[in-house]
Amino acid sequence: EVQLVESGGDLVQPGGSLRLSCAASGFIFSHYWMSWVRQAPGKGLEWVANVKPDGSDKDYVDSVKGRFTISRDNAKNSLYLQMSSLRDEDTGVYYCATERVWSFDSWGQGTLVTVS
Amino acid sequence: QSVLTQPPSVSAAPGQKVTISCSGSSSSIGNNYVSWYQQFPGTAPKLLIYENNKRPSGIPDRFSGSKSDTSATLGITGLQTGDEADYYCATWERKVFGSGTKVTVL
Repeated sequence: EVQLVESGGDLVQPGGSLRLSCAASGFIFSHYWMSWVRQAPGKGLEWVANVKPDGSDKDYVDSVKGRFTISRDNAKNSLYLQMSSLRDEDTGVYYCATERVWSFDSWGQGTLVTVS
Repeated sequence: QSVLTQPPSVSAAPGQKVTISCSGSSSSIGNNYVSWYQQFPGTAPKLLIYENNKRPSGIPDRFSGSKSDTSATLGITGLQTGDEADYYCATWERKVFGSGTKVTVL
């Protein structure tokens, strides 16, 4: 069974930094593209970033380019999101998700980031 | 503001059918696969439909998806109280999500 467990969410001041982690199990992590998707309180879903299976290719939504960095450690079956220069509008629940069949097919439970 | 437009809410009585539209453009929906997600309050989204009209294992055939040039539709037949949730469409190009639709069972 696929399991994704996010951690690292916290209350942080504007301009601060935070590192999110996602521990994966139940599948061959190194074979899959992985994404971070966020959801502001009471709002819809927004894709944030993704990374290729070998970590060589990454992409970001325009609003986080230059501030967030996605990475992965296939030896540890882990996905990361380093967030810096945080803004109020970065507040929300951050989910990690697997990418398969042109969709986000498995999701973690999410971790809450509050910038205030 | 999302480039994929969904109605804010739809409702129907138990046992009835609802459809949720997802309107985009030829560049967003037209040339890309559409997927649909179900989200209950306080929980993570769940994949319902992928590649426009395919259901993952375990998703009942009461849920169906279709796509035309610039729009997609999610259908739910035999509506149940347990279907009350938010539903989101998404296209793979730039990984854009729709604005979301709340389904209410009357």
